[in-house]
Amino acid sequence: KNEVEQSPQNLTAQEGEFITINCSYSVGISALHWLQQHPGGGIVSLFMLSSGKKKHGRLIATINIQEKHSSLHITASHPRDSAVYICAALNRDDKIIFGKGTRLHILP
Amino acid sequence: EAGVAQSPRYKIIEKRQSVAFWCNPISGHATLYWYQQILGQGPKLLIQFQNNGVVDDSQLPKDRFSAERLKGVDSTLKIQPAKLEDSAVYLCASSLVGSGDGGYTFGSGTRLTVV
Repeated sequence: KNEVEQSPQNLTAQEGEFITINCSYSVGISALHWLQQHPGGGIVSLFMLSSGKKKHGRLIATINIQEKHSSLHITASHPRDSAVYICAALNRDDKIIFGKGTRLHILP
Repeated sequence: EAGVAQSPRYKIIEKRQSVAFWCNPISGHATLYWYQQILGQGPKLLIQFQNNGVVDDSQLPKDRFSAERLKGVDSTLKIQPAKLEDSAVYLCASSLVGSGDGGYTFGSGTRLTVV
């Protein structure tokens, strides 16, 4: 079992829908990153969280340390949001553990 | 604050050729990671440095891959000779060591295509 689990693995939605991607982890972490990867392979760091909630434009990320769970939300989704979203956690041994990613496809 | 810099962004080479990637981490970040991400898979740790020492290189294919981090700052990852299965995104990241404050940052990656 991976120490960082993401769900869903794949998600297809209509433009405008509210999107939620979940990340659960089983180890102690110092912080968690949400990354966006487009088909060309480039990685964009969206958020780094160690507690609470962060918002940037239409993106919102939350983390609950007690429940070992984080969510990434996209409001008013758009086809350009189509990408793979990856959750990555830094554990207490300075290892970065990646989720397997969520492939999001937003239909126009 | 400047991010983790990687170059080149893209590289296409023929099999059996050599290639090198460069990473400049966040200033002050002692830990530097190189990951390999094959299409459709999650990133796999190739090597982890703390300053200029190797912490973990257990998954580095040492017959063809090498990495160094001279002076504990920037790092290069080399593949010699490349194989078709080396086609992947090579991702560099850096973090503050053992501080518990979670400061870690990713580069944008280098996409390698071996033909």
